[in-house]
Amino acid sequence: AQSVTQLDSQVPVFEEAPVELRCNYSSSVSVYLFWYVQYPNQGLQLLLKYLSGSTLVKGINGFEAEFNKSQTSFHLRKPSVHISDTAEYFCAVSKIQGAQKLVFGQGTRLTINP
Amino acid sequence: DTEVTQTPKHLVMGMTNKKSLKCEQHMGHRAMYWYKQKAKKPPELMFVYSYEKLSINESVPSRFSPECPNSSLLNLHLHALQPEDSALYLCASSQELAPGTGVRTGELFFGEGSRLTVL
Repeated sequence: AQSVTQLDSQVPVFEEAPVELRCNYSSSVSVYLFWYVQYPNQGLQLLLKYLSGSTLVKGINGFEAEFNKSQTSFHLRKPSVHISDTAEYFCAVSKIQGAQKLVFGQGTRLTINP
Repeated sequence: DTEVTQTPKHLVMGMTNKKSLKCEQHMGHRAMYWYKQKAKKPPELMFVYSYEKLSINESVPSRFSPECPNSSLLNLHLHALQPEDSALYLCASSQELAPGTGVRTGELFFGEGSRLTVL
């Protein structure tokens, strides 16, 4: 089975500061890795994904994440945040083959302060 | 703009009512999903349809009844719900490369959800 741990439930950051949201996963098989964002009262939107290839993936809205297989991590980063980045961020994994389950972490609430 | 459309956006129902949530996608995806999300929690998988056949039921109570009438539509029929069923219900879809294999391109596309309140 797969599991995901988001190490911070809340992250407050000042506007224009850098941010890192941490994600560690556990799986005995190869997985895809994702970061989704959920703005208030909305559904989930894909920020970026790692399927294979380069371990540094770039997503929308200036976000990027680095897959580290040895540390089983997939941390999300942005060099300069904006007020509009205030949202809930979910890290997720799914098996490449087999069951179609997307396993989510508990989420990190990113709050940007002016 | 999301390419997965859910209706209604808000639904209030009594415990004896029968209602339905609807989901539509026109991306040609052959896998569709229902998730339930409580406040300040991650989404929890309820059902997965693959090529219009139910492939996963996460031990969901029978008061929730899914239906996939065609490759573009997914319904969730609700009957005799409890107040604790109040939540955001999210529909999602993904491409599946071959029937029954579970091999996908990876990402799920989510709708904006239907917020359900059970009185």
